[in-house]
Amino acid sequence: GQSLEQPSEVTAVEGAIVQINCTYQTSGFYGLSWYQQHDGGAPTFLSYNALDGLEETGRFSSFLSRSDSYGYLLLQELQMKDSASYFCAVWGYQKVTFGTGTKLQVIP
Amino acid sequence: AAGVIQSPRHLIKEKRETATLKCYPIPRHDTVYWYQQGPGQDPQFLISFYEKMQSDKGSIPDRFSAQQFSDYHSELNMSSLELGDSALYFCASSSRHVSEQYFGPGTRLTVT
Repeated sequence: GQSLEQPSEVTAVEGAIVQINCTYQTSGFYGLSWYQQHDGGAPTFLSYNALDGLEETGRFSSFLSRSDSYGYLLLQELQMKDSASYFCAVWGYQKVTFGTGTKLQVIP
Repeated sequence: AAGVIQSPRHLIKEKRETATLKCYPIPRHDTVYWYQQGPGQDPQFLISFYEKMQSDKGSIPDRFSAQQFSDYHSELNMSSLELGDSALYFCASSSRHVSEQYFGPGTRLTVT
């Protein structure tokens, strides 16, 4: 089957950098996605990694190591509006599975 | 830009009733996904369609069925509703070979 692990909560200071890790187990692997979800809102796509390495999109970057079955989302120059839940999602033979989410709280 | 449209946004049903949720994907997106998200939980993949054919199946109960129509909109039919079916139901769409999914605003189903 497919399973993912990510921290349940992270707190960081406005302006700082935070890294949210995701480890996964999957039968077959196509890629790892990251989504942001504010309370009561819909998930919003942030990034997708199919190959090893770092993908950068503005203040957000995502990293993948397929050999380690590990990825992370890096958020720089944190803003209060970044307070949300962040989900990693793995695409494999058993389709797409979301992690349980990391609730990020940005404090002043 | 056009987004994914879901209707209704809120739905209240009683146990054992039937509900139908609708999803209108972004124009030119050929793949639709359905997710169920309980309070404080991650989205659970239910089912997906590509070019009007079921492509993948996740943890969708046998009481639920779905289809994608010729205009690419999709409907999720839920019968014999149970209290545990109360959740947010998201529809997402994408182009087949693109991993980026665009989510709709969701339908909040409450079963009483």
